[in-house]
Amino acid sequence: AQTVTQSQPEMSVQEAETVTLSCTYDTSENNYYLFWYKQPPSRQMILVIRQEAYKQQNATENRFSVNFQKAAKSFSLKISDSQLGDTAMYFCAFLMDSNYQLIWGAGTKLIIKP
Amino acid sequence: SQTIHQWPATLVQPVGSPLSLECTVEGTSNPNLYWYRQAAGRGLQLLFYSVGIGQISSEVPQNLSASRPQDRQFILSSKKLLLSDSGFYLCAWEPGPLNYGYTFGSGTRLTVV
Repeated sequence: AQTVTQSQPEMSVQEAETVTLSCTYDTSENNYYLFWYKQPPSRQMILVIRQEAYKQQNATENRFSVNFQKAAKSFSLKISDSQLGDTAMYFCAFLMDSNYQLIWGAGTKLIIKP
Repeated sequence: SQTIHQWPATLVQPVGSPLSLECTVEGTSNPNLYWYRQAAGRGLQLLFYSVGIGQISSEVPQNLSASRPQDRQFILSSKKLLLSDSGFYLCAWEPGPLNYGYTFGSGTRLTVV
């Protein structure tokens, strides 16, 4: 069975710093998708970034980028120039190709300090 | 553009009462629809998903049911709520084909008392 592990329950950094959130996963599949979702205090779940496993190039969305290491089954999220609005729970999620059920990590609580 | 609406935002219901949460999507057709539940401080648990009108798949046996009476409408129901049904319920959609990434509604905080 597929599993997703986020080993950092909580992190805090100063505003404008760069922070990296870790995510590892376990699967025997070759085709899959990985996601990072953000859940701010409002609890709305927001898609931050998406990565297809068949793509070697790391996905980037503005200040958010990933380091996807397929062989190591690692999918970390880097937030550059962190802002107060980045304070949120961050969830890593895995989805097998043509499947319906996202497998979620336990989340990392990120606090950006002014 | 596509939007997802979920209501109500907050609900307090007594044990044994019925439940109906509604989710609608605008600006798309034939979306895949999902109901998730999130316990406090925890990740998300998939409850139901639907790939078309009248098609419902259940992931977790429980006190809840789902229906999709129209293409862009997804309803979560219960005939008799339990205390353990308390939680944060999120509706989500994605366009077919799969794996594009979900867009979530704003959620419903349900407290069963």
